[in-house]
Amino acid sequence: KQEVTQIPAALSVPEGENLVLNCSFTDSAIYNLQWFRQDPGKGLTSLLLIQSSQREQTSGRLNASLDKSSGRSTLYIAASQPGDSATYLCAVNRNNNDMRFGAGTRLTVKP
Amino acid sequence: KAGVTQTPRYLIKTRGQQVTLSCSPISGHRSVSWYQQTPGQGLQFLFEYFSETQRNKGNFPGRFSGRQFSNSRSEMNVSTLELGDSALYLCASSLRERRAGELFFGEGSRLTVL
Repeated sequence: KQEVTQIPAALSVPEGENLVLNCSFTDSAIYNLQWFRQDPGKGLTSLLLIQSSQREQTSGRLNASLDKSSGRSTLYIAASQPGDSATYLCAVNRNNNDMRFGAGTRLTVKP
Repeated sequence: KAGVTQTPRYLIKTRGQQVTLSCSPISGHRSVSWYQQTPGQGLQFLFEYFSETQRNKGNFPGRFSGRQFSNSRSEMNVSTLELGDSALYLCASSLRERRAGELFFGEGSRLTVL
């Protein structure tokens, strides 16, 4: 059974800091991994998608890495801004087409 | 380009009733997937429809069902509502199958079961 864990559950940083969010998963037979952000009361916004054969993906100030062998992915946010405040979720798509989400990391960036 | 539209946004039902939620995907998208989000269980995958066919289903009882129409609009139905069905129900659409590319989410339908 695939378990997806995100640490920390909450994080508060001052504006301008670089930060790392962590996602770990127990089953390495994954198809791909996705990172999303969710603003309060809203749906999810797709940030980055990493295929199982890839090691990292970048979009603007965001960089996501994937290490299947250790069951880990990280989301790096550079030069954080108050607008980055949201909950960040990782989701694992398994080879059997199942999809599992982590519980999320609630990020607050203080001006 | 219009985004994913979910209706209704909020609804209140009582135990034992049934509910139907609607999702209109982005024009041209063929895949619609549904998710349940609760404080206790987090976000869970319900099912995916692609070209009117259910592609896969998460671990939910048969009370949860869905369908997709020829215009890609999708509905999900929950019968014999239980208190634990209170949740935010999200749908997402994508051009190809759910796991192959970017998902676009609606803002959700918040269901309260009394």
